[in-house]
Amino acid sequence: DAGVIQSPRHEVTEMGQEVTLRCKPISGHNSLFWYRQTMMRGLELLIYFNNNVPIDDSGMPEDRFSAKMPNASFSTLKIQPSEPRDSAVYFCASSLKRSSYEQYFGPGTRLTVT
Amino acid sequence: AQRVTQPEKLLSVFKGAPVELKCNYSYSGSPELFWYVQYSRQRLQLLLRHISRESIKGFTADLNKGETSFHLKKPFAQEEDSAMYYCALSFDRGSTLGRLYFGRGTQLTVWP
Repeated sequence: DAGVIQSPRHEVTEMGQEVTLRCKPISGHNSLFWYRQTMMRGLELLIYFNNNVPIDDSGMPEDRFSAKMPNASFSTLKIQPSEPRDSAVYFCASSLKRSSYEQYFGPGTRLTVT
Repeated sequence: AQRVTQPEKLLSVFKGAPVELKCNYSYSGSPELFWYVQYSRQRLQLLLRHISRESIKGFTADLNKGETSFHLKKPFAQEEDSAMYYCALSFDRGSTLGRLYFGRGTQLTVWP
């Protein structure tokens, strides 16, 4: 198993552009988490899904951010329009069941908005 | 409210010295506590959890409910221990089940 897969690994875009980050969780896992990591704020949970349903999106910073999970094997995090302060590393993680606290992380997407 | 506090952003020790990474939490019930580690150019991974009461790579962590702490300790640090360490908490309450609350992390550097 390749683990959690994220793409792209690096993204550089200009302010105002739309950015879409992708995540493929580990097969069979039914919880998926999106995190943002910055030097200032550390690791922040943005949103998480259970069985493809969003459970808690209170960490999503503002309406420019949206996340979807159309099926059990794919999720997207979209930023539209992007701003320089969105520059961060975005991680996706998955876990086997809602009561399992061990989360398996992807390699992250390093986003730079100029 | 910050549920997990790691007071040190940076921590440096020499090889062979003892190391302690501090973690305090705020939760009045019975939480589950974890330490995650991120080595350079690798993904974040679980190091240990308090419920297992295990020692991984020489690291141990004891949950102290009286002091609401879960400090990570190793008696003799190695250079390969250099990494970012995150303390995390989870608790069983309705919709939060399965969610982890992370501290801001401590970057450990072990000098040769």
